[in-house]
Amino acid sequence: DADVTQTPRNRITKTGKRIMLECSQTKGHDRMYWYRQDPGLGLRLIYYSFDVKDINKGEISDGYSVSRQAQAKFSLSLESAIPNQTALYFCATSKTGLSSEQYFGPGTRLTVT
Amino acid sequence: GQSLEQPSEVTAVEGAIVQINCTYQTSGFYGLSWYQQHDGGAPTFLSYNALDGLEETGRFSSFLSRSDSYGYLLLQELQMKDSASYFCAVESFNKFYFGSGTKLNVKP
Repeated sequence: DADVTQTPRNRITKTGKRIMLECSQTKGHDRMYWYRQDPGLGLRLIYYSFDVKDINKGEISDGYSVSRQAQAKFSLSLESAIPNQTALYFCATSKTGLSSEQYFGPGTRLTVT
Repeated sequence: GQSLEQPSEVTAVEGAIVQINCTYQTSGFYGLSWYQQHDGGAPTFLSYNALDGLEETGRFSSFLSRSDSYGYLLLQELQMKDSASYFCAVESFNKFYFGSGTKLNVKP
């Protein structure tokens, strides 16, 4: 079984709809992250969480919110989706500390029409 | 702000050596990472440098010069399966900033 899972894997939604992307991990890591990737670009950090009570904005948090329901679960919500949020979304985890190795989920391809 | 520069595309032949450079501008630098991403796949971790010097892991090596704000990934004995995109990423104040990626094409 995969260590970091994301649901759904693909989603098409309409402008203005609320949508939630979910991430679960079995690695026992405290740190979790949400990124988006646009074609030809690198990953940009949306939100990150170092434990259940510690949630921080990343580089591009506007239009997004998150919830850390448990150590193993970190959800990303788009309250009112817009077309320029069409992207590939990745969840990642890492251990506490400066080792910096992040483990990525398989990604969710989101299309907002 | 943060910025990272890496070449957009590199082509090399099977069995050759290729170097992918990364220059960065950032405050609060902790370390430089490299990730590999195949088309349609998730990024996978390759290496991390926090101190100056060379880190070697099998066919892949990574180098960092903090004074020059520069690093590179060296891939030796290239194989077709190495065709992928490679991203450098800077860790700064617990956040990670990724470059736009270098697409490596390995030809037979």
